[in-house]
Amino acid sequence: GAVVSQHPSRVICKSGTSVKIECRSLDFQATTMFWYRQFPKQSLMLMATSNEGSKATYEQGVEKDKFLINHASLTLSTLTVTSAHPEDSSFYICSAREYNYGYTFGSGTRLTVV
Amino acid sequence: AQSVSQHNHHVILSEAASLELGCNYSYGGTVNLFWYVQYPGQHLQLLLKYFSGDPLVKGIKGFEAEFIKSKFSFNLRKPSVQWSDTAEYFCAVNAGYNQGGKLIFGQGTELSVKP
Repeated sequence: GAVVSQHPSRVICKSGTSVKIECRSLDFQATTMFWYRQFPKQSLMLMATSNEGSKATYEQGVEKDKFLINHASLTLSTLTVTSAHPEDSSFYICSAREYNYGYTFGSGTRLTVV
Repeated sequence: AQSVSQHNHHVILSEAASLELGCNYSYGGTVNLFWYVQYPGQHLQLLLKYFSGDPLVKGIKGFEAEFIKSKFSFNLRKPSVQWSDTAEYFCAVNAGYNQGGKLIFGQGTELSVKP
């Protein structure tokens, strides 16, 4: 089946710095990728949808200048948290859509901003 | 807007007990429905999905779900749970799959199975 690789799995950064999270689809081309945020004991909240070669579509309330999404190829999407602050600490999960397999999720990235 | 509601926040069962987790969605059109499981420290895994056809869907690990269109429900069931089923369960709905639609998740249900 389809596999999505997400890196890093954990990252700690200082307040004010930027962090990049990568999401790669292995063995398949992902025309659409989704980025979610999950708070402890809560559900996955969709942040944005990215389509290869075009601008991402952000959900209401998500700051597009803070959460930069790039989907430059059919196998790679990146989420950059710019000028991170402690309130950005969360679990970020990517998902890639592949026609035959549906939605496949990455293992997530635990971001801690100190 | 689409929404998904899971009725149970935390369910505690003993091994061999039967399980039913509720899931209701709000969307009047054609939907695709999913149940995912998230074991502690692991990523989401697909349990089962419904696109069309038989409303009773069988998934992995003995799970099944029934799509009742009139009730906008897609409840997850398992006749006899095991300790290894302890995990977080998420119901999700997508409208317009063929158009690359997004998945909307319910709040999740934490299942604890006591040995």
